[in-house]
Amino acid sequence: IAGITQAPTSQILAAGRRMTLRCTQDMRHNAMYWYRQDLGLGLRLIHYSNTAGTTGKGEVPDGYSVSRANTDDFPLTLASAVPSQTSVYFCASSEVGGNTDTQYFGPGTRLTVL
Amino acid sequence: GQNIDQPTEMTATEGAIVQINCTYQTSGFNGLFWYQQHAGEAPTFLSYNVLDGLEEKGRFSSFLSRSKGYSYLLLKELQMKDSASYLCAVMDSNYQLIWGAGTKLIIKP
Repeated sequence: IAGITQAPTSQILAAGRRMTLRCTQDMRHNAMYWYRQDLGLGLRLIHYSNTAGTTGKGEVPDGYSVSRANTDDFPLTLASAVPSQTSVYFCASSEVGGNTDTQYFGPGTRLTVL
Repeated sequence: GQNIDQPTEMTATEGAIVQINCTYQTSGFNGLFWYQQHAGEAPTFLSYNVLDGLEEKGRFSSFLSRSKGYSYLLLKELQMKDSASYLCAVMDSNYQLIWGAGTKLIIKP
């Protein structure tokens, strides 16, 4: 079934550790996104990529980095995790970036930083 | 700043109709999206409005008034499976989605 997969499903992490959240899509979408979702707040964009080889900063990029080596994969790295990064992380993709294409979401990664 | 407002929680009865409102103030406007999110799951796309008026799609309809910065999602013939959060999101001038916090809809039998 075509779509977006994320790994891990959930993770408990000690503060200060490095962590990479994985995201893969098989829809050949050009654009990909990383959001975090916190209780009482709307989804907030962390980083995005409109095409392989390019990335951009969203609303809350500090403490996170991304890469886009190919069309399918868009990993999100926390270099040194802090408790405020406890959240549910969603990866999304759209056929084209920088326009009004619908974004489709992966199942999410629930991350707890202690 | 940019702001999307929607009610935190609403309750409705199975078989009834419910209207979920969304007001927005954003830097530019390139359309408004509604997504459904069941607890513990990913958001899924429901509708997109960029012109004023009502868009109907089965039991769900979405309305937009750009001059008022206002949209609503109308759900008819409510079913228990409609219990979920409904997220309003506006695409701003940079083609980035600005999200509301979501409205949790509780359906009672």
